[in-house]
Amino acid sequence: DTEVTQTPKHLVMGMTNKKSLKCEQHMGHRAMYWYKQKAKKPPELMFVYSYEKLSINESVPSRFSPECPNSSLLNLHLHALQPEDSALYLCASSQVGEGATNEKLFFGSGTQLSVL
Amino acid sequence: ELKVEQNPLFLSMQEGKNYTIYCNYSTTSDRLYWYRQDPGKSLESLFVLLSNGAVKQEGRLMASLDTKARLSTLHITAAVHDLSATYFCAVDSDGGTSYGKLTFGQGTILTVHP
Repeated sequence: DTEVTQTPKHLVMGMTNKKSLKCEQHMGHRAMYWYKQKAKKPPELMFVYSYEKLSINESVPSRFSPECPNSSLLNLHLHALQPEDSALYLCASSQVGEGATNEKLFFGSGTQLSVL
Repeated sequence: ELKVEQNPLFLSMQEGKNYTIYCNYSTTSDRLYWYRQDPGKSLESLFVLLSNGAVKQEGRLMASLDTKARLSTLHITAAVHDLSATYFCAVDSDGGTSYGKLTFGQGTILTVHP
């Protein structure tokens, strides 16, 4: 299984809502990532988890709250988002350790988020 | 701060023609990646280039890396319509860590027409 599965594929939420994005992989990867991609722009790194611990937070606003409950799952909890947060949210995973970055990141199909 | 610049940003090609996309980056790195993205879709990994002089080929696409010049190229040979997509290069901006921290170029929107 070489897939990274993201749910839901589409999400519409109001600015007062609380929602969560989910990501799952069964490749034994111990690094998992959240990227944000605005329309016609490149992906931008938000968070990196390594061995289920938050390793990088790229100065992301606190209305985005990541969680890595186990080595296969990654969540992104959303609360009080703004319309400018509307974007494609991509999850990715990869190996960790010496030579890990010799391997590619596997990306999920993304969640298209619209904030009204 | 690492900067990754691609050119051209838009490329309109005729079928059967050859062309090259360029990717320049601003700091030392020996890990460079090329991805393809179809509209509304996720990122598909094309190539991972890990050392100076690395060259990889898959079908009509060939990628190379010159770490001294901080330049990677993606060469398209005899373009076909199926190659129409957005192509991103990405550089590992935190070399030495045990996971990838990628900074992406702006992307090149490639359109291949008859």
